[in-house]
Amino acid sequence: EAQVTQNPRYLITVTGKKLTVTCSQNMNHEYMSWYRQDPGLGLRQIYYSMNVEVTDKGDVPEGYKVSRKEKRNFPLILESPSPNQTSLYFCASKTGDSYEQYFGPGTRLTVT
Amino acid sequence: GQSLEQPSEVTAVEGAIVQINCTYQTSGFYGLSWYQQHDGGAPTFLSYNALDGLEETGRFSSFLSRSDSYGYLLLQELQMKDSASYFCAVKDQAGTALIFGKGTTLSVSS
Repeated sequence: EAQVTQNPRYLITVTGKKLTVTCSQNMNHEYMSWYRQDPGLGLRQIYYSMNVEVTDKGDVPEGYKVSRKEKRNFPLILESPSPNQTSLYFCASKTGDSYEQYFGPGTRLTVT
Repeated sequence: GQSLEQPSEVTAVEGAIVQINCTYQTSGFYGLSWYQQHDGGAPTFLSYNALDGLEETGRFSSFLSRSDSYGYLLLQELQMKDSASYFCAVKDQAGTALIFGKGTTLSVSS
């Protein structure tokens, strides 16, 4: 089954404790991205990657890191999480020129 | 940069027709797409318009007017399960990343 997977689905952590949210897709898509979703603010892009070893900042990259060492994986790293990073996070993938983007199930992160 | 405007909320009753508008400002335009998101779920792709006119997919249709920088999603024969958030999206200046509007929450009542 074609899908984007994210782990963990739910995470409660404390300020400053490094964490990684994994994202994997099995559709051989070149393009992958991370969004955060907050009430009233819609989906805001954090980082995206057009292919292996190619990453770019989105609209809200501060406090986040990403890497793209393999085509299928695109982990999101929070080196020192803060409470304002409490949010619902979505990973997504698509072919490079497509408008149809496939989203993972989401990761609900709470930073206390 | 790219920006999109859509109403924050729309309400309707079962069986009715509702139109969700989206206006955009872009540097370079590659088309307009629409996504649906049920509460707590992942957004899913609905439709895409590259050219002016109406695209129909079952009960849902999407319209684009490039000269007016405007599009809309039309939902007919509304059902309770259509209660969800709907997002319009455009590509960034490079024509790759998808930029989303803030979304319109549709509430369908019986």
